[in-house]
Amino acid sequence: ETGVTQSPTHLIKTRGQQVTLRCSSQSGHNTVSWYQQALGQGPQFIFQYYREEENGRGNFPPRFSGLQFPNYSSELNVNALELDDSALYLCASSLNRRMNTEAFFGQGTRLTVV
Amino acid sequence: AQKVTQAQTEISVVEKEDVTLDCVYETRDTTYYLFWYKQPPSGELVFLIRRNSFDEQNEISGRYSWNFQKSTSSFNFTITASQVVDSAVYFCALSAVTTNAGGTSYGKLTFGQGTILTVHP
Repeated sequence: ETGVTQSPTHLIKTRGQQVTLRCSSQSGHNTVSWYQQALGQGPQFIFQYYREEENGRGNFPPRFSGLQFPNYSSELNVNALELDDSALYLCASSLNRRMNTEAFFGQGTRLTVV
Repeated sequence: AQKVTQAQTEISVVEKEDVTLDCVYETRDTTYYLFWYKQPPSGELVFLIRRNSFDEQNEISGRYSWNFQKSTSSFNFTITASQVVDSAVYFCALSAVTTNAGGTSYGKLTFGQGTILTVHP
C-alpha cells in the first residue's frame, strides 16, 4: 500500500455540474500530480502542484483547477462537467517535482458524468 | 515532446509461459527516466521499476527482468514463468524535465497506451 489516499472512490455527476476530488499524499512528499485516465487509455497528465503552487500543466482547459494545502494534500476541481470528463482520476505523490524518483499513486476516483 | 508506444494491446498466455511486453519511446532530452507500472483491476498504479537514461544495465528482480536499449529507444519488460496473479494492465512511462513559462522546471509522466496481460491457469 502506497499511503496515497483518494476520495471519493466513485462519483456520478450530471453534465454542467462541478466536482471536487481529494488526495492525501504520502508522508514526506511535497509534490502531487493529477492524471486523467479514460477507459482503455493510458493516464494523461493534468497538472502538478509543488509547495502549494501549480508547477506545470498538461493540455487541459482552465475549468480543470486545483489546490495544494500546507500538509501537501491536494484537490482537483472540475467545473462545467462534460460527458467526456468521465474517467478514472489518479493522484500521484512524489518526493520532488522533477519526477526522477518513483511516483506513488492512489487508487483513483472513478467519475461518471451523465 | 515525449511519446511512449506499447505496440501490444493485449497478450494472452498460459501459466508458466514467459512473456515480454514491448515499449518504445521518443524524446529529445538527454536526461530522462523510464518506468513500468502495473494496474490491477482495483485501479491503483503499482510502481515496478525506474531506469535513468545513463544506466543501460539490465535488471532482474525475481521473475521480472528489464532490457533497456538506448540505441533502439526500447525498454522491454519480461515476466518469466508467468502466474495468474500477473494478470493486469502494464504501462510503460517516460519522465523528462520540462520548464514552464515562469522558468520553473517540473517533470511529468508520459504513459503508453498499456498492454493488457491475461494469464490463464
